[in-house]
Amino acid sequence: GESVGLHLPTLSVQEGDNSIINCAYSNSASDYFIWYKQESGKGPQFIIDIRSNMDKRQGQRVTVLLNKTVKHLSLQIAATQPGDSAVYFCAENTGTASKLTFGTGTRLQVTL
Amino acid sequence: DTAVSQTPKYLVTQMGNDKSIKCEQNLGHDTMYWYKQDSKKFLKIMFSYNNKELIINETVPNRFSPKSPDKAHLNLHINSLELGDSAVYFCASSQDPAGGREQYFGPGTRLTVT
Repeated sequence: GESVGLHLPTLSVQEGDNSIINCAYSNSASDYFIWYKQESGKGPQFIIDIRSNMDKRQGQRVTVLLNKTVKHLSLQIAATQPGDSAVYFCAENTGTASKLTFGTGTRLQVTL
Repeated sequence: DTAVSQTPKYLVTQMGNDKSIKCEQNLGHDTMYWYKQDSKKFLKIMFSYNNKELIINETVPNRFSPKSPDKAHLNLHINSLELGDSAVYFCASSQDPAGGREQYFGPGTRLTVT
């Protein structure tokens, strides 16, 4: 069935380095993708989204890249800070309803 | 100023009991959701309501019954609680039911069934 998955369950980076979190999706009909950040004890928080008619979108210190050919999504965080430590989820939507399918999550650990 | 709020934050109860979780959003959104997050952090949608009407009903035991008294509220009632119901339940809302809209999540309710 359709699924959204992540390559790395845990990613450890040094403060100040750039982080790249990857996500593979299998539903080629998906036309909208979101990255969420979930800190311990809190609900998922929207980071950035991208539609399937785009390859790249930038926010503040974050960039999302979409490669539809290989059905791959990535989140890049520039100059990673301790406050970036959290679990990151990608999610996809096929556009037919408001249903988001979430990936399994990647834990980002920022070391000093 | 909380956008999506849930009560209670923690809920500990015994098997067989019936419990409810409440959710309210003050964003003026038309669509609300319930998600379940298991111990491995996997998030899965359970229900979605648009303007008080059910639009998504995933394969969820009928012991779970959502109720939306108005579009700002979506409550979740669970009958005959089982050990496997232990999880964190998140409420969320979005502007409309069309695909391609970000969803705003509440802080979650950690349910522990003993």
